[in-house]
Amino acid sequence: DTGVSQNPRHKITKRGQNVTFRCDPISEHNRLYWYRQTLGQGPEFLTYFQNEAQLEKSRLLSDRFSAERPKGSFSTLEIQRTEQGDSAMYLCASTSPVRQGITYEQYFGPGTRLTVT
Amino acid sequence: SQQGEEDPQALSIQEGENATMNCSYKTSINNLQWYRQNSGRGLVHLILIRSNEREKHSGRLRVTLDTSKKSSSLLITASRAADTASYFCATDGYSGAGSYQLTFGKGTKLSVIP
Repeated sequence: DTGVSQNPRHKITKRGQNVTFRCDPISEHNRLYWYRQTLGQGPEFLTYFQNEAQLEKSRLLSDRFSAERPKGSFSTLEIQRTEQGDSAMYLCASTSPVRQGITYEQYFGPGTRLTVT
Repeated sequence: SQQGEEDPQALSIQEGENATMNCSYKTSINNLQWYRQNSGRGLVHLILIRSNEREKHSGRLRVTLDTSKKSSSLLITASRAADTASYFCATDGYSGAGSYQLTFGKGTKLSVIP
C-alpha cells in the first residue's frame, strides 16, 4: 500500500500521560500536514512541514504539542500531559510540491483516534 | 477556525436520487476541494476545482464554483447506498508561510436509503 499510513489507529490514555503518533507520508511527497478533528466538525489545521522544516503552526498547537519530521520522511506528533480536551481524531496528510504556484490535493491517512480518560 | 460552511448539515435521500450540497467560504482561494469521509475514517479526495474554473465533472460528481459569490456546489447523481458519508469542502490559500493549508467546513452528512 503506497498511501499515507498512521500508527496507532486508536490510543486510549489517562489524563496526564504523554502520547506519540506517527505518520508515514507518500514517499515522493515533501509536504506534510497534521490536522485535528473533533466530533461533528471538519478537520482543523495544526502544523505543516516542507521536507524536514516545520514552517507553520496553528494557534491550536499549544506548548504541550510538538511535531517533528526528521530527515523529511515520517513525522511524529507528541502530546505531553494529555487533557480530556485533547480527545480527537488526529489526521496526517501529504501532498506534492507546489509547482509554478499550482497546488494539489492532499492525501489523508486513516487517522489516529485519541481518547483521554 | 472554519472557513467553509456546508449546507445542508444533513441530507437524506433515496437511492437513485441526486444529492446537492453547497459550500460557502469567506476569503480568496487558490483551489476548492471536496472530500468524503466515511464514519470514523480518514478523508478521501473527490475533486479539486481551481479558482479560474467554473465547473468540473468526475464520474457521477459535478462541482461548480462561483468566486464572485464565494460558493461552490457538489452534485452527486444517481446516488448509491455506498455514497453514505460526510462530505466536506475545503479551501486552500497561500498563508504567507507557504503551507497552502486546507480550511474545512463542518460537512454535510449524506444518508442514501436503499
